[in-house]
Amino acid sequence: GAVVSQHPSWVICKSGTSVKIECRSLDFQATTMFWYRQFPKQSLMLMATSNEGSKATYEQGVEKDKFLINHASLTLSTLTVTSAHPEDSSFYICSARDPGGGSFYEQYFGPGTRLTVT
Amino acid sequence: GENVEQHPSTLSVQEGDSAVIKCTYSDSASNYFPWYKQELGKRPQLIIDIRSNVGEKKDQRIAVTLNKTAKHFSLHITETQPEDSAVYFCAGSGGSNYKLTFGKGTLLTVNP
Repeated sequence: GAVVSQHPSWVICKSGTSVKIECRSLDFQATTMFWYRQFPKQSLMLMATSNEGSKATYEQGVEKDKFLINHASLTLSTLTVTSAHPEDSSFYICSARDPGGGSFYEQYFGPGTRLTVT
Repeated sequence: GENVEQHPSTLSVQEGDSAVIKCTYSDSASNYFPWYKQELGKRPQLIIDIRSNVGEKKDQRIAVTLNKTAKHFSLHITETQPEDSAVYFCAGSGGSNYKLTFGKGTLLTVNP
């Protein structure tokens, strides 16, 4: 149980275009999902907390107009990178809590999406 | 906000030896401390976690200790094996938003 998927697993796009990444909780309902960005050889940095039915909460320094987050259902959150530039190239990982699961605090991570902007 | 420091950044041990990674945190309200193993290009994998009401937790070759007073926690891996080689991250979480703050990671290399 507690499986989180992401789609796509990798994507290449041209500079100036937009890319949407999906994060799904497959076997539980996630009222809260988190989006992280990880540059090579660096740690995971939280970008935003996505709450079902409400606006996302962005971390300091993360442009909310560039990284659009939509959490329209209890099993799906999407991250759209708008007007992507080469410096947005990174590994994007989502996670979700299962408040009804055995571990109240544990976050379940998706497999990540490798974004390359050319 | 929370700040998590992790040391060392790299650690090389011989197979069979023990490895210890240490983390400190700043927010006294933090109450959940997971450890993750991440292999290149893959998702972080939870290997062990500890709540603030517990001082130590063990799972086979892996153990975590927590000192709330000093605000530090450590990962101990005994009888290391080459397949333990990976990047390990500590994290801290507290408050109603359940956000995780990660340490910078430790690259563990276990030499055969």
